[in-house]
Amino acid sequence: DVKVTQSSRYLVKRTGEKVFLECVQDMDHENMFWYRQDPGLGLRLIYFSYDVKMKEKGDIPEGYSVSREKKERFSLILESASTNQTSMYLCASSSYRDRGNEQYFGPGTRLTVT
Amino acid sequence: KQEVTQIPAALSVPEGENLVLNCSFTDSAIYNLQWFRQDPGKGLTSLLLIQSSQREQTSGRLNASLDKSSGRSTLYIAASQPGDSATYLCAVTNYGGATNKLIFGTGTLLAVQP
Repeated sequence: DVKVTQSSRYLVKRTGEKVFLECVQDMDHENMFWYRQDPGLGLRLIYFSYDVKMKEKGDIPEGYSVSREKKERFSLILESASTNQTSMYLCASSSYRDRGNEQYFGPGTRLTVT
Repeated sequence: KQEVTQIPAALSVPEGENLVLNCSFTDSAIYNLQWFRQDPGKGLTSLLLIQSSQREQTSGRLNASLDKSSGRSTLYIAASQPGDSATYLCAVTNYGGATNKLIFGTGTLLAVQP
């Protein structure tokens, strides 16, 4: 079974702090994604990566950066956290080798910025 | 721009009833369509994936159909159970691009009453 893990289930940070959210997958997937989920807005793509050290902006990249130094790990960085970044953050991975390029999701990190 | 809509936003049914959840999309040039389940405060669990060349997929009591020409998909749940209570999300990936980004609907919140 594909397993996608995220470093924290719940996180509370203060405004202006630098925040790291970590995601690890164990299936040698090429593609990794970061989404945020907000009531009424659904899931929106922040950044994605299709290979080590490669990244592309999604629909809402402002205020975020990412890092992918190893194939299995994809980090989301909030350089200076703000209250409007309070949200549920979901990581996903997929592979071109899999049927239909199916995406698999982690359990999510509920981030609160105070 | 691809837009995905799910109707109804919420649905309450008695246990044992068969039900249908609807998903529509504006651009028929899709690569695949996925149905997910999300329990409160949790990540997404992939239920079914239908590739663009397929008309339906089945898993246990779940059956998903796809009609690309009309831009519609349905998720049929047979003999519903209280454990089916969750939010159901559909998402499409468009042709083009290396990573097949998912575009999500805002979900249907299902409550199955015992």
